[in-house]
Amino acid sequence: GAVVSQHPSWVICKSGTSVKIECRSLDFQATTMFWYRQFPKQSLMLMATSNEGSKATYEQGVEKDKFLINHASLTLSTLTVTSAHPEDSSFYICSARVGGAGEQYFGPGTRLTVT
Amino acid sequence: KQEVTQIPAALSVPEGENLVLNCSFTDSAIYNLQWFRQDPGKGLTSLLLIQSSQREQTSGRLNASLDKSSGRSTLYIAASQPGDSATYLCAVSHPGAGSYQLTFGKGTKLSVIP
Repeated sequence: GAVVSQHPSWVICKSGTSVKIECRSLDFQATTMFWYRQFPKQSLMLMATSNEGSKATYEQGVEKDKFLINHASLTLSTLTVTSAHPEDSSFYICSARVGGAGEQYFGPGTRLTVT
Repeated sequence: KQEVTQIPAALSVPEGENLVLNCSFTDSAIYNLQWFRQDPGKGLTSLLLIQSSQREQTSGRLNASLDKSSGRSTLYIAASQPGDSATYLCAVSHPGAGSYQLTFGKGTKLSVIP
């Protein structure tokens, strides 16, 4: 149980275009989902926290207009990178959680390369 | 602001050795602590989760301890195998801006030499 999927697993896009990444909890309902970014040889950095049906809370330094997060249902959250630039190339990982402070379950990640 | 530090950054051991990975955190007001494994280019695999009220957790050859008051945790791996080679991440759950959130250390890259 507690499986989280991400789609796509990797994507290459041209500078200036937008890319959408999906995060799904397959066998449970996630009240909260998280989006992380990981640069090469670095650790995971939390980008934003989203609760179903409400606006995401972004961490300091993360542009909310660039990284659009939608959490429309208890099993799906999406991250849209708008007007992508090469510096947005990174590994994006989502996680999902049931309840207020329980364990987070992580997706397999999405490798984004912007050319 | 919660900060998590992992020492060493990299470790290389011969197969069969026992080893210890260290994690420290600056704010002891945590809900739980997790150890993860990450293979190159892959997502995270949860290894052990220790609640703040617990002192240790064991799973197979892995044993994790937690000393919340001193802000420290260790991950002990017994009889290491080449398949244990990966990056090990420590993360603490604590109150954040939006919810309880995880703060990660930078990881320890482990290489087990056959």
